[in-house]
Amino acid sequence: GEDVEQSLFLSVREGDSSVINCTYTDSSSTYLYWYKQEPGAGLQLLTYIFSNMDMKQDQRLTVLLNKKDKHLSLRIADTQTGDSAIYFCAEKWGGATNKLIFGTGTLLAVQP
Amino acid sequence: NAGVMQNPRHLVRRRGQEARLRCSPMKGHSHVYWYRQLPEEGLKFMVYLQKENIIDESGMPKERFSAEFPKEGPSILRIQQVVRGDSAAYFCASDQPGSTSGNTIYFGEGSWLTVV
Repeated sequence: GEDVEQSLFLSVREGDSSVINCTYTDSSSTYLYWYKQEPGAGLQLLTYIFSNMDMKQDQRLTVLLNKKDKHLSLRIADTQTGDSAIYFCAEKWGGATNKLIFGTGTLLAVQP
Repeated sequence: NAGVMQNPRHLVRRRGQEARLRCSPMKGHSHVYWYRQLPEEGLKFMVYLQKENIIDESGMPKERFSAEFPKEGPSILRIQQVVRGDSAAYFCASDQPGSTSGNTIYFGEGSWLTVV
């Protein structure tokens, strides 16, 4: 199947760390992505990780990949109110097409 | 602005009319995707095209929807005889397979279609 699963909602306090989890389906996926969507806006590519890596860090963002369990997580350090948005994980589907399969999205609410 | 450009940003159509959404890929990109986001849902893949060729249309509804990417000009997603259930945000994305950045897929700001 093509279901990528995420928890629907996460609430954190400003300054805390946020961890958003994702479970994907295709073991042959080559790349996994995190996108951010603010209300009424498009998708902003935050970061991506190649499937032969288990961790990638980019400033406040840390991506962890457990390929055995097909589990991907995004950690946001020192979460700010401007980080409030919906976060989507996506896997690049194996095969001839490069299409991305998206998760349902996690709404991150940052409390001041 | 060298990003993915979509227009119109917002479109209102009456039931039965046609909707045309346009997308110009990022500079240097030769392939475009169309995705649909229904209210309160994630993005669903519709179609993947390169100029004058449809690569994967496995996500396109069988009727009323069509997409093209001509040799010149933007990619167009066309919805004929729109119904209320077509109300959604339609996102275009682009990439350049085989390039050093071929693993990065950038999205436009979306076109919000409302059918009344």
